[in-house]
Amino acid sequence: GESVGLHLPTLSVQEGDNSIINCAYSNSASDYFIWYKQESGKGPQFIIDIRSNMDKRQGQRVTVLLNKTVKHLSLQIAATQPGDSAVYFCAETLSYNTDKLIFGTGTRLQVFP
Amino acid sequence: SAVISQKPSRDICQRGTSLTIQCQVDSQVTMMFWYRQQPGQSLTLIATANQGSEATYESGFVIDKFPISRPNLTFSTLTVSNMSPEDSSIYLCSVEERRPGVSPRNTQYFGPGTRLTVL
Repeated sequence: GESVGLHLPTLSVQEGDNSIINCAYSNSASDYFIWYKQESGKGPQFIIDIRSNMDKRQGQRVTVLLNKTVKHLSLQIAATQPGDSAVYFCAETLSYNTDKLIFGTGTRLQVFP
Repeated sequence: SAVISQKPSRDICQRGTSLTIQCQVDSQVTMMFWYRQQPGQSLTLIATANQGSEATYESGFVIDKFPISRPNLTFSTLTVSNMSPEDSSIYLCSVEERRPGVSPRNTQYFGPGTRLTVL
């Protein structure tokens, strides 16, 4: 079986409910943040990003919220579907001029019917 | 976004041997990156591979253990040398793309990964 995400925190939600996945970052200088979704056996897939001059950004069924005061990032998924089951990673960059991503620990989302 | 492929998708290798992983992109990209994802862990950057120059390695990773080639703008290889069971991981390449009309920021997109098991 797949070993990605075996030891990660897990969020279990019922199909149709909203999901909120949280991420704390440590560097107040980080100015660009990305959420990735990693399904079993696949590479991380870009979901949504946000720059530090914003506190909210919406996509299709997903919203990212950024709270710079407490260095917290969240991903909200509306009407969660079974296909949303995956491991979700937040990533940050330390400077607008560098492309080096620092990944968070990840959260496994399990969607139950 | 660019289509990224990796070869092999998975392999089982013996201790002490070496494996070269290939990363192919369907468009020319300046920046390519190699990551390691150990079992149950997050992604850790190994090195940045730029065409025409030596790769830039992150702390804890050295060229003798992870030699990288970047012969052109669509291809890169990562070799895992003198493997031990601790090298068992998923190895991922990523490329940086600009997303016109969406954000001025470059964003990284990932390949499917190579799952390596060392016995």
